[in-house]
Amino acid sequence: RKEVEQDPGPFNVPEGATVAFNCTYSNSASQSFFWYRQDCRKEPKLLMSVYSSGNEDGRFTAQLNRASQYISLLIRDSKLSDSATYLCVVRNEYSGGYQKVTFGIGTKLQVIP
Amino acid sequence: NAGVTQTPKFRVLKTGQSMTLLCAQDMNHEYMYWYRQDPGMGLRLIHYSVGEGTTAKGEVPDGYNVSRLKKQNFLLGLESAAPSQTSVYFCASSYSSASSTNSPLHFGNGTRLTVT
Repeated sequence: RKEVEQDPGPFNVPEGATVAFNCTYSNSASQSFFWYRQDCRKEPKLLMSVYSSGNEDGRFTAQLNRASQYISLLIRDSKLSDSATYLCVVRNEYSGGYQKVTFGIGTKLQVIP
Repeated sequence: NAGVTQTPKFRVLKTGQSMTLLCAQDMNHEYMYWYRQDPGMGLRLIHYSVGEGTTAKGEVPDGYNVSRLKKQNFLLGLESAAPSQTSVYFCASSYSSASSTNSPLHFGNGTRLTVT
């Protein structure tokens, strides 16, 4: 089983639609979770951290379900500019300061006019 | 506000040639990373550093070496380039877990390397 699994998509949705992505992780002891956005041929950029209580940033809502080991990203009222690849990121910390940051393969979103 | 800067942005090498990719960050981050990104593979960690003078292997370290002589710089070297090293390389940095348990990674713009 991959450490972080995502459906690569693509998800093709009309403008204004609501779309949700899920990501599952294998290590139950993982501590930190993030969603990154990556535009074509660009570097990944932090979209939002994911907190246990869930968090919202404008049209974006992130949820963490530790029991089922998945995180989700909900995008409401999709805009053309939301078209990108969304990367699920999980960080584990070990003794000695070692951090392991694992990226999912990414889910491609295409918002259609 | 430069953040993480990578040089060069593009490079074409012939098999067997060597090169060094430079990553510089001005955020006083302790941790620095080198990733490669290939179609269908996602980002894979090559090497990382938890502080000045330290380096460690990631998932795919073979064929690469790194050095962190100064806190702000993290160099990635290819001693003898191979076509399998054709990829997009990203450098990233972050605070250590001791200072911020939820500290995200900040990425450079990437280096597109082609080995023929």
